[in-house]
Amino acid sequence: SQTIHQWPATLVQPVGSPLSLECTVEGTSNPNLYWYRQAAGRGLQLLFYSVGIGQISSEVPQNLSASRPQDRQFILSSKKLLLSDSGFYLCAWGPDQETQYFGPGTRLLVL
Amino acid sequence: EDKVVQSPLSLVVHEGDTVTLNCSYEVTNFRSLLWYKQEKKAPTFLFMLTSSGIEKKSGRLSSILDKKELFSILNITATQTGDSAVYLCAVPRTSSGSARQLTFGSGTQLTVLP
Repeated sequence: SQTIHQWPATLVQPVGSPLSLECTVEGTSNPNLYWYRQAAGRGLQLLFYSVGIGQISSEVPQNLSASRPQDRQFILSSKKLLLSDSGFYLCAWGPDQETQYFGPGTRLLVL
Repeated sequence: EDKVVQSPLSLVVHEGDTVTLNCSYEVTNFRSLLWYKQEKKAPTFLFMLTSSGIEKKSGRLSSILDKKELFSILNITATQTGDSAVYLCAVPRTSSGSARQLTFGSGTQLTVLP
């Protein structure tokens, strides 16, 4: 069966520091991969999606970037975090064009 | 622009009550509608609906889609405290690529009191 992993589970970082969040999927090949952010009390906002290695599409302009160095690995990065980057970051994978399954998420607090 | 609206925003009931959560949508080229349950962590997938009038059921949860009136409902019967969560509705967005971005509603916060 397929599983999706994210780490770390929780992260506290100072403003201006770099960020790297990792997401990996097991048990499937060539999945669609997604990064979402959920700010406190708000809905899910799609940040990036990828249909294959090295293929990244950005939904919203921001100081975050994403990379997909391997088929089942999706990385979310920032060179300098802002206070507004705090939130709950969710990675999701999709076996097809319709369904998405979410990872456990990373809670990021930028101080 | 695709839009998904959920109601009510929050709901407080007692154990044993039946609840109905609503999701209306406006999308171009509708394909499917998804329901998720989000407790304190990541959303977990509940249902995907593609056809009008066909009820999907899982235990005490059921959902149905009305493509003519552009809405879906999620029913929970005999609610339990473990049903307390945010219930999210989402619709895949029209896209020229092979990945379907989901447009999410703001969610319904359900609280079930003992």
